[in-house]
Amino acid sequence: QSVLTQPPSASGTPGQRVTISCSGRSSNIGSNYVYWYQQLPGTAPKLLISRNNQRPSGVPDRFSGSKSGTSASLAISGLRSEDEADYYCAAWDDSLSGRVFGGGTKLTVL
Amino acid sequence: EVQLVESGGGLVQPGGSLRLSCAASGFTFTDAWMSWVRQAPGKGLEWVGRIKTKTDGETTHYAAPVKGRFTISRDDSKNTVYLQMNSLKTEDTAVYYCATDYSGGAWGQGTLVTVSS
Repeated sequence: QSVLTQPPSASGTPGQRVTISCSGRSSNIGSNYVYWYQQLPGTAPKLLISRNNQRPSGVPDRFSGSKSGTSASLAISGLRSEDEADYYCAAWDDSLSGRVFGGGTKLTVL
Repeated sequence: EVQLVESGGGLVQPGGSLRLSCAASGFTFTDAWMSWVRQAPGKGLEWVGRIKTKTDGETTHYAAPVKGRFTISRDDSKNTVYLQMNSLKTEDTAVYYCATDYSGGAWGQGTLVTVSS
C-alpha cells in the first residue's frame, strides 16, 4: 500500500488529453513539492515534472503538472503512442522523514 | 550530458553484504542531493534513501525497511555516491537506481541485486 495514491491504469486515444491523479496527505503533498516520473517499458525512470509544475529542459509542453491541497495531477495533452508508459508521483513526507512514491499508473494509448 | 552509471550489483546470500557505486558526470556533483531508489521485479518504485551535499552536512535519510542496514555515502573527489547494503534479505531483491532531481534530473540505468540462497 503506497503512501501516495494513484489509479493503477489510465487510457486514451491519440490526440486526446488524459490526467493522472495523485492523492496524499498534509505531511507530504500538502506541504512539499510533487515530482512526476515517466518510465517507458524496459527503461529507467525519467524526471518529467519537478516542483509541482516545472518541466525540465527537453520535456514537451504537452506534459503539465498541478497541485491543490493534498492532491496533484499530471496532464498529458495531444496524446501520442510513445507516451505509453508507467507514471509515478513522489513527494517528501515530513512525518516519515523520507520520500514517498505513488504506486504508479500504467498509461495505455488505444 | 548528464549521466549516472551504477555498478556493483549481483547475487548475494541472505545475511550478506554488497556495495553499490554510482558514478556521476555532466553536472556539478557537489551541488546535488543524491538518492537511491529500487524497483522489485514487476513492482513500482520504492525510495531507499538520500544524501545531501557537503554544504548541507551530507545529511542522510533512509526508508524504514532499510534503516540500520543500508548506508549512503559520497566521495565528491570521485563524483561518486555509494550504497552499502548489509544484512541483506530476500525482499531486498530489486533493480537499484541512483538518481537526482538536480540539473533537470537524471537516473542511472540501474543495477540488479538478487538476494537468494
